[in-house]
Amino acid sequence: GENVEQHPSTLSVQEGDSAVIKCTYSDSASNYFPWYKQELGKRPQLIIDIRSNVGEKKDQRIAVTLNKTAKHFSLHITETQPEDSAVYFCAASGGPGGGNKLTFGTGTQLKVEL
Amino acid sequence: SAVISQKPSRDICQRGTSLTIQCQVDSQVTMMFWYRQQPGQSLTLIATANQGSEATYESGFVIDKFPISRPNLTFSTLTVSNMSPEDSSIYLCSVVVSGNTIYFGEGSWLTVV
Repeated sequence: GENVEQHPSTLSVQEGDSAVIKCTYSDSASNYFPWYKQELGKRPQLIIDIRSNVGEKKDQRIAVTLNKTAKHFSLHITETQPEDSAVYFCAASGGPGGGNKLTFGTGTQLKVEL
Repeated sequence: SAVISQKPSRDICQRGTSLTIQCQVDSQVTMMFWYRQQPGQSLTLIATANQGSEATYESGFVIDKFPISRPNLTFSTLTVSNMSPEDSSIYLCSVVVSGNTIYFGEGSWLTVV
């Protein structure tokens, strides 16, 4: 089955700096890669996703890049703000037999410091 | 997106008892899933809730422990049976909309004492 690795597990940045979280996946047939943000005591919220026919997608301060050859994808947050502090999860799905079942990374605790 | 409601949102349960969690979606969806998130951990898929048939369970999860119902395309239940403290987790239902896009319900925070 699919295996997703995520790094780093914790990340501290100064407000206004950029943050990058990286994930690798094992199943070359996976074709959907969402990112979720989870604030303390809340459910995971979809913040951006990318499909395998696209190399990059951007939504305001958030961008995701996908390298299918290397089987890795990354989340980029620019001009970080304190409200960006949360746990971020990457995930992958779409391989044969996997369908829409998501395999998650282990999460990254992002802390944006003033 | 879809509005996905879960009940209960939070509960404290006694060891050995069972609890049923409900998931209601505001539109018909083909695919529904149940995930578990243990404290400080990532999300793990429990099963796919199949409408009109038995759920499909992932490795490590069995029907006797986590029976699931899916009577129609907008509703599903997950029961956590014979609970132990190790079952203390967040249980989340999720649905697929617009192709692969997957959204989560509000979550049910379960503490077993």
